[in-house]
Amino acid sequence: DIQMTQSPSSLSASVGDRVSITCRASQGISNNLAWFQQKPGTAPKPLIFAASSLQRGVPSRFSGRRSGADFTLTITSLQPEDLATYYCQQYYSFPITFGEGTRLEIK
Amino acid sequence: VQVVQSGAEMKKPGESLKISCKGSGYSFSTYWIAWVRQMPGKGLEWMGSIYPGDSNIRYSPSFQGQVTISADKSITTAYLQWKSLKASDTALYYCARSSGSSIDLNNWGQGTLVTVSS
Repeated sequence: DIQMTQSPSSLSASVGDRVSITCRASQGISNNLAWFQQKPGTAPKPLIFAASSLQRGVPSRFSGRRSGADFTLTITSLQPEDLATYYCQQYYSFPITFGEGTRLEIK
Repeated sequence: VQVVQSGAEMKKPGESLKISCKGSGYSFSTYWIAWVRQMPGKGLEWMGSIYPGDSNIRYSPSFQGQVTISADKSITTAYLQWKSLKASDTALYYCARSSGSSIDLNNWGQGTLVTVSS
């Protein structure tokens, strides 16, 4: 199984800050990585697919990048509505696996 | 594209349950549908996926034998079923449709809360 190691597990930042969340895949997954945002009481919302492609309607302050087996989600100019838990997920092969999540708090 | 799940369920340990996920606005047979569990206060766990076109089903090793995934193409609905529920099955269950040529999770249902308590 492909393990996705996500860090940090929690993060606190101020409005306007730039924040980054990282996932490392235990083996090659090409660009088959997605990022999700989950706000309390709601279903996960896809943000990024294919490692760096923005889903339709997602603000441009969200971006994704791949460097080898490392994948990064960056939020530039953090907004209050970005309070959420963020998950990475590989869909290169079954079993599909998720990172453990990063809880983002706004200071 | 819409993926709509059945409503919340409250069951007793040992009871059976089948929850549903109805797809509309697309060709149901040609997209994978996955089931994802979220236990209270915890992260997302993939349970399994079904390709309705040929009923190809893939299970997570963690859930193999614990649940049954199925689909009825005639009513564009996928199912997640338990024969004998346990208190530890209490969770939110999401279904999600792929984007087509891959096994990703692109369109999510609203979730079905299953509570198992005596």
